[in-house]
Amino acid sequence: EAGVTQFPSHSVIEKGQTVTLRCDPISGHDNLYWYRRVMGKEIKFLLHFVKESKQDESGMPNNRFLAERTGGTYSTLKVQPAELEDSGVYFCASSQVPQGAATQYFGPGTRLTVL
Amino acid sequence: QKEVEQNSGPLSVPEGAIASLNCTYSDRGSQSFFWYRQYSGKSPELIMSIYSNGDKEDGRFTAQLNKASQYVSLLIRDSQPSDSATYLCAVLERADGLTFGKGTHLIIQP
Repeated sequence: EAGVTQFPSHSVIEKGQTVTLRCDPISGHDNLYWYRRVMGKEIKFLLHFVKESKQDESGMPNNRFLAERTGGTYSTLKVQPAELEDSGVYFCASSQVPQGAATQYFGPGTRLTVL
Repeated sequence: QKEVEQNSGPLSVPEGAIASLNCTYSDRGSQSFFWYRQYSGKSPELIMSIYSNGDKEDGRFTAQLNKASQYVSLLIRDSQPSDSATYLCAVLERADGLTFGKGTHLIIQP
């Protein structure tokens, strides 16, 4: 069974540019989560999808971040325009049922560097 | 604001000894508690989950939870060099996102 996959693995962009990160959850997992780890800080929750619906986006830093999950399969996270403080590792995780009852499986992450 | 605190380490333990990792959390409403292991450059991997007070054992790993004192611990018996990694404590209040600590860097010395 394939795990959670993320693309790209690395992205280097300049301040003001746009970047789109993609996450493919484990097949059959309705719950999809985005997290971010900024250097020196802990991994922080960004948002949670159940199928195509956003359940909780309380962790999204600001309106420069837009997450979508059309069709309830893969998800994208767009940063527009990117700022220096957006640099970090963006993780995606998925689970079959809401957390508390099932394991969240993490992808390998996308390392974003904004210059 | 919910917080999870861990000693960042590094924690150095001789091979074969018991490694003890600790975590405290601020939100008394937290219901579920997790330990993830993360090797450098890799994704976090769940190794233990615990939901009620007391101990939970799985192979060489034992998780301990004390909700009254708001702490969670992880014991690794017969530590192996392959256990060297960063261990992340995570808590969940509701069925949404995990709140992570910064992690403890564990080094098992052969």
